[in-house]
Amino acid sequence: EAGVAQSPRYKIIEKRQSVAFWCNPISGHATLYWYQQILGQGPKLLIQFQNNGVVDDSQLPKDRFSAERLKGVDSTLKIQPAKLEDSAVYLCASSSPSGLSTLSYNEQFFGPGTRLTVL
Amino acid sequence: DAKTTQPPSMDCAEGRAANLPCNHSTISGNEYVYWYRQIHSQGPQYIIHGLKNNETNEMASLIITEDRKSSTLILPHATLRDTAVYYCIVSYHDMRFGAGTRLTVKP
Repeated sequence: EAGVAQSPRYKIIEKRQSVAFWCNPISGHATLYWYQQILGQGPKLLIQFQNNGVVDDSQLPKDRFSAERLKGVDSTLKIQPAKLEDSAVYLCASSSPSGLSTLSYNEQFFGPGTRLTVL
Repeated sequence: DAKTTQPPSMDCAEGRAANLPCNHSTISGNEYVYWYRQIHSQGPQYIIHGLKNNETNEMASLIITEDRKSSTLILPHATLRDTAVYYCIVSYHDMRFGAGTRLTVKP
């Protein structure tokens, strides 16, 4: 079974430029997550999709970050314009909750991440 | 913010059991305890989860106290490849990662 795919693996840009990351989840997984992981910290959830709808984007800096999952499969995360503090690893994860209830067990499968450096 | 407290780092001798503690005194009745680990330069990997009962799988065992305010992840025979950051998460429907415990397995 193929895992979560992300591209690019590495990206270096200058501040105020824009950048986009792509994620292809595990086939059949309805839920997709984007996380930001700053060096030395745990991953921080940015946005969660259920199929093509947003479930939680409370921690997404909406003035510069945007994400979409138009067909309910792959997803893109965009930063425009980038700031120095956006330097981080951006992780994508997917899951297939075992039921409709939010109490259901929910194992997340993570991709390798995209390491962004903003100069 | 994460609702768990973990020691920042631990060492373990290769071949010995690694016992990683986690405090989650404010856990709610419907929240699961999850453990993930992150090996250097990789994405986090699921290890195990539990609600009330102790759990065991091919990777590890999870011991949850009766009052559910703390838990321990046990790696029964640690190897050098188990060197990683281990995250304990209590979750209703979303994952809030803390800083985790950096486990170093030494030869």
